[in-house]
Amino acid sequence: KNQVEQSPQSLIILEGKNCTLQCNYTVSPFSNLRWYKQDTGRGPVSLTIMTFSENTKSNGRYTATLDADTKQSSLHITASQLSDSASYICVVKEAGNNRKLIWGLGTSLAVNP
Amino acid sequence: DTEVTQTPKHLVMGMTNKKSLKCEQHMGHRAMYWYKQKAKKPPELMFVYSYEKLSINESVPSRFSPECPNSSLLNLHLHALQPEDSALYLCASSQDGRQPYNEQFFGPGTRLTVL
Repeated sequence: KNQVEQSPQSLIILEGKNCTLQCNYTVSPFSNLRWYKQDTGRGPVSLTIMTFSENTKSNGRYTATLDADTKQSSLHITASQLSDSASYICVVKEAGNNRKLIWGLGTSLAVNP
Repeated sequence: DTEVTQTPKHLVMGMTNKKSLKCEQHMGHRAMYWYKQKAKKPPELMFVYSYEKLSINESVPSRFSPECPNSSLLNLHLHALQPEDSALYLCASSQDGRQPYNEQFFGPGTRLTVL
C-alpha cells in the first residue's frame, strides 16, 4: 500500500535553532516529492518539489533532501523564526496512469521565542 | 496575478440551506481542484477539473455539486449538508490540464461550519 509517514508528529524548538523533519514513503512508482508549509486555517504553500534525480533542493532557509533508494526525504529549517510555526506536510506523487498524490499527516512545528 | 482566491473566508449554514463556495485564479491554469480538510488531517481530494470538464470525482456525496463556468472560476454548491461536513474547503489550481497533480497552488480556504 502506498503510504507517506512523517516524523516527528510534533516538534517545539527555540527561535534561531535549526531542525530537521523526516518523511519516509513506500509510494511506487514514484514521480516526485513535495514539501508544503501550512499555517493553521490556511491553504498549503509549496516549499520544494523534487524529482527522482534531485538529491537536494533549497528554498531560502528551507533545504530538502531526497534519497530515492531508501525512499526517505528530510526538510531542514535553518535559523528558525517565529513565522516558521506551522504544519509541514510531505506529499508524494505517483507516476504512471494512477498519478495520485499521497499525503503525509504532517509535522506540527512550534517555534518559541 | 499569482494567487488563488476563495470566497467567503468563513461560512456558517444550517442543514437546510443552499450556499456556494467560489474559487478564482488568473494564472491561466487549466486544472482546478476542490479539497476538504478536517482538523489535524491532510487535505482530501474531492473533485478535479481539467479544461473545465470534471475529470475526477472521489465518490463525493451529491450534496456537494461542483461547477466550472470558465477556465478561471470554480464553484462548489452546497445543499442539505450534515454537521460532519464542517471543515476547511481548499481550492487549488495547476498549470497543465493534461497532467493533473503537477505543482499545485492552493487558495486560503473557506472555513465551513454546518449547524
